[in-house]
Amino acid sequence: DIVLTQSPALAVSLGQRATISCKTNQNVDYYGNSYMHWYQQKPGQQPKLLIYLASNLASGIPARFSGRGSGTDFTLTIDPVEADDTATYYCQQSRNLLTFGSGTKLEIK
Amino acid sequence: QVTLKESGPGILQPSQTLSLTCTFSGFSLSTYGMGVGWIRQPSGKGLEWLANIWWDDDKYYNPSLKNRLTISKDTSNNQAFLKITNVDTADTATYYCARQSPLYWYFDFWGPGTMVTVSS
Repeated sequence: DIVLTQSPALAVSLGQRATISCKTNQNVDYYGNSYMHWYQQKPGQQPKLLIYLASNLASGIPARFSGRGSGTDFTLTIDPVEADDTATYYCQQSRNLLTFGSGTKLEIK
Repeated sequence: QVTLKESGPGILQPSQTLSLTCTFSGFSLSTYGMGVGWIRQPSGKGLEWLANIWWDDDKYYNPSLKNRLTISKDTSNNQAFLKITNVDTADTATYYCARQSPLYWYFDFWGPGTMVTVSS
């Protein structure tokens, strides 16, 4: 099984940069793509796709969101953060079946 | 416009079989490459992938639950189904279905979820 590790929580001041990390216990790269994706979930709502294949912005997602990384280390960056970004952020790998990280709860100060 | 919506029993008793339906529009599971997955989330906890089914009827299951899960589809009615046998309180969760991208297996559209409670 591929295990994804995320920090449980992060607090960032309004207008600053938030960096959320996701580390895997196995390489999730395959033929030039990193099979890592990011979702945002606000309370009471379903998850929403933000980033796919590590760095590709999903349709309709503002350019404040970006992703990078390869192999076993990935980050989601929100810059600048807005009040509406308060949510839990999940990473998901699809290199070997599917697993999600445990989520990082983002608080905006 | 892609939409998905889950439906289920709301509440059921331990040892029963949970039957869930995902009704979708804006795409077809008979189209090459299309897939639908099921994911669940206990209240206050993280996401757990359960199973997915593809346009060609290929199916994949979470190994930790595989012996209890059955996924199927009705292409003509744009529906996907998930059955979980022998439920217990640990199966209490919100269950989501989501459209799954071909090749890369991310979920690009999600339903609002249906809450299922297992209680005696």
